[in-house]
Amino acid sequence: ETGVTQSPTHLIKTRGQQVTLRCSSQSGHNTVSWYQQALGQGPQFIFQYYREEENGRGNFPPRFSGLQFPNYSSELNVNALELDDSALYLCASSLDSSYTSPLHFGNGTRLTVT
Amino acid sequence: AQSVAQPEDQVNVAEGNPLTVKCTYSVSGNPYLFWYVQYPNRGLQFLLKYITGDNLVKGSYGFEAEFNKSQTSFHLKKPSALVSDSALYFCAVRDKSGANNLFFGTGTRLTVIP
Repeated sequence: ETGVTQSPTHLIKTRGQQVTLRCSSQSGHNTVSWYQQALGQGPQFIFQYYREEENGRGNFPPRFSGLQFPNYSSELNVNALELDDSALYLCASSLDSSYTSPLHFGNGTRLTVT
Repeated sequence: AQSVAQPEDQVNVAEGNPLTVKCTYSVSGNPYLFWYVQYPNRGLQFLLKYITGDNLVKGSYGFEAEFNKSQTSFHLKKPSALVSDSALYFCAVRDKSGANNLFFGTGTRLTVIP
């Protein structure tokens, strides 16, 4: 059983650019969530996808967007990068979208915006 | 609205002693509570969850947590700490009144002293 994998592990971008982060879900999981973890903070919910449809979104602007593919892998896209977007971006998959299913996290992508 | 508070940024404990990492929560409905651990430059690992039933929940690596509804607490415990338990611990909560996402605390750094 493979866990959640994310790529790339590190990324440096310039303010105003766009970035795409990728995630492969754990085998058998059909729900994926993305979180932003700023330095010294707990993860903050960005959005969740269930069977290729967004089914929940946190307090993030529309320039944060996502996709989930038929194989349940996922992308997080961020447009018009700002300095405050510098953070660890965590992808998490779960067996289903129920409230009791624990999330299984990848190791994250460290994004630095200069 | 859901929220989680971890009142201690840092907990130090001697190896072999019992450890407690504190968490209190606020939700509108019945809480679903989770503990995660994060090692340096890694994602979050699921430790245990409380959904319903017995107030004492057992999880991975010898950890357990006690749910106390009257005190709205969900403290993480371990009878005998190991140096390898040193890490960042996050408490998280969901409830059915909101979107199906986890709200995380700000984390508690546990250091086990040899």
